[in-house]
Amino acid sequence: AQTVTQSQPEMSVQEAETVTLSCTYDTSESDYYLFWYKQPPSRQMILVIRQEAYKQQNATENRFSVNFQKAAKSFSLKISDSQLGDAAMYFCAYRSQYNNNDMRFGAGTRLTVKP
Amino acid sequence: GAVVSQHPSRVICKSGTSVKIECRSLDFQATTMFWYRQFPKQSLMLMATSNEGSKATYEQGVEKDKFLINHASLTLSTLTVTSAHPEDSSFYICSARAPSQSPFWEDQPQHFGDGTRLSIL
Repeated sequence: AQTVTQSQPEMSVQEAETVTLSCTYDTSESDYYLFWYKQPPSRQMILVIRQEAYKQQNATENRFSVNFQKAAKSFSLKISDSQLGDAAMYFCAYRSQYNNNDMRFGAGTRLTVKP
Repeated sequence: GAVVSQHPSRVICKSGTSVKIECRSLDFQATTMFWYRQFPKQSLMLMATSNEGSKATYEQGVEKDKFLINHASLTLSTLTVTSAHPEDSSFYICSARAPSQSPFWEDQPQHFGDGTRLSIL
């Protein structure tokens, strides 16, 4: 079974600085999707960024980018120019291409942004 | 962007009552909807997957007679917690996904509702 590990329960970053959240996963599959979701205090899960495993190029969305290392099964999220609104729980998630109903979430990383 | 509405956002009720939570996709047709449970400071745990017009598929350990799921239309799925007890108190989140579209048939992302905080006294 696939597992997703986020080893940092909490992270803190100064406003305007850069922070990297770690995520590793375990799978025997070659085709899959990886996601980073943000859950602010309002509790709604918001998709931040998505990566298809077959794509070698790292996904980017404005200030958010990933470092996808397929061989190492690592999928870290970099937030540049951190803003107060980035404070939230961040969940890394894995979904198989063969069973696209099964999304596995990591335990989450709580990000605090200091003014 | 795609919007998923979940209602109610908060429910407080007595032990033994049944509670229904609605999940609606407002601007797209969701052939697949998911129900998750989230305990405090923990991650989301998938409870069940429902496809429109068919029975829900429950994850191991989730009581299907306890958590009734109905996906009667392409825009609405409901979760009913029957004879709720304090241990059922939790945060329940639904998500919805549209079917893949040609020509690329790329998998569609899941869109999440705001969640429902259920408190059983």
